[in-house]
This record gives sequence, C-alpha cells and structure tokens, in this order.
Amino acid sequence: AQSVSQHNHHVILSEAASLELGCNYSYGGTVNLFWYVQYPGQHLQLLLKYFSGDPLVKGIKGFEAEFIKSKFSFNLRKPSVQWSDTAEYFCAVTARTLSSNTGKLIFGQGTTLQVKP
Amino acid sequence: DGGITQSPKYLFRKEGQNVTLSCEQNLNHDAMYWYRQDPGQGLRLIYYSQIVNDFQKGDIAEGYSVSREKKESFPLTVTSAQKNPTAFYLCASRQLLRPGELFFGEGSRLTVL
Repeated sequence: AQSVSQHNHHVILSEAASLELGCNYSYGGTVNLFWYVQYPGQHLQLLLKYFSGDPLVKGIKGFEAEFIKSKFSFNLRKPSVQWSDTAEYFCAVTARTLSSNTGKLIFGQGTTLQVKP
Repeated sequence: DGGITQSPKYLFRKEGQNVTLSCEQNLNHDAMYWYRQDPGQGLRLIYYSQIVNDFQKGDIAEGYSVSREKKESFPLTVTSAQKNPTAFYLCASRQLLRPGELFFGEGSRLTVL
C-alpha cells in the first residue's frame, strides 16, 4: 500500500532562515506529488505539484520542491522564510494510474512550521 | 466567489447520536471527498464520489455514511457505530481532469461528549 512519511513534525525557524521539509513516499509505480499548506484559520490549499518533466517545481510564495525518484522523495524548500509562512504543511501522493480513475490522495502526517519574527 | 462550504463549523454530540455534516460546492466539480484530520496522522480518506448517485469507501469508512443526490452536495453522516468520532472533518472537490488538485472547505470540528 502507498504511504507518505514526513520526517519533521514540528519545525521552528527564525525569519530569513532557510527551510527544507522532508517527504518520502512508498510506491513503486509512477506518481503525482503535491504539497498542501494550511495557514492558521484558513482552509487547506495547494502549494505546488509535480506530474512530470523538470523535477524541480516552483509553487506559490517562493516555495519549491525537488522530486528525486531514486530516493522516493519530494522535499519542500524555501530559501528565506517569513513569519507569514507559519502553517501546517502536508505532503501528498497519488499513483498516476489510480489518480486517473479516483483522484485518491495519500497524505503525510503533516509538519507544523513556526516562524519567529 | 466559488468555493466549498461546510457546516456546521463546530458540533457537539452525545454518544449514541448520529450527526450529519454538510458540504456544498459551487465549483461545478464532479468529484467530492471527505477526509478526517487527526493530530499527527495527517488526512485520511473516508468516502469519495466521482458522479451523482455513486460513491466509494475510502480507507476509514466504517461508522460513516454518505449520499450524492446532487452534484453540488455531499453530506457525511457520522453514525453511532463510529468508535472514535471526535475529529476535524474536511470536505474537498476537484475537476476530474485534474487529479490530486483538491479544493478544500474550512472544515467541521466534531466533539463527542
């Protein structure tokens, strides 16, 4: 069965620090990969996605993620975080063949990022 | 503005009672989903539907039921058979041609007393 693992459950950074959140998945086939973000008091929203092509994808608000197929990873990065990046971040994966039929997403446990001003 | 509306935002229930959570979308999306969010466990899929009058069980469907009588509506009933119903429930929808790109509602927090 597919699974997604996020290694960091709670991360605390100061403003301007660099961010990298780890995400690994287990599935042997072709996948689509996503990062979702939930800001305090707001609904969960898509941050970025990877379907195919360039393994380095860019999302909103300066975030980027790199797909490394050999490592089954899709880590999220941002060179310089801001206080407004305080949120919970979820990595998610769907099998390419499965998603074409159901769109079922498997989510990681989530990482809470706290940015200190 | 288009979006997903969940109600109520907060709900308290006594043990043994069924409760229905509402989810309405005006995005004209075909597919709709219910997820349950628990601290440290991420989101787990309860039920999903890709077309009116059809739905499938997700990974944790026991103790829950749904209906899809209209395209824009996908209510979730938490029955008394659900052993641990206190949780945050999220409804989502998507266009069929955009797999994995879900639009979420703001959620409903259910507390069983």
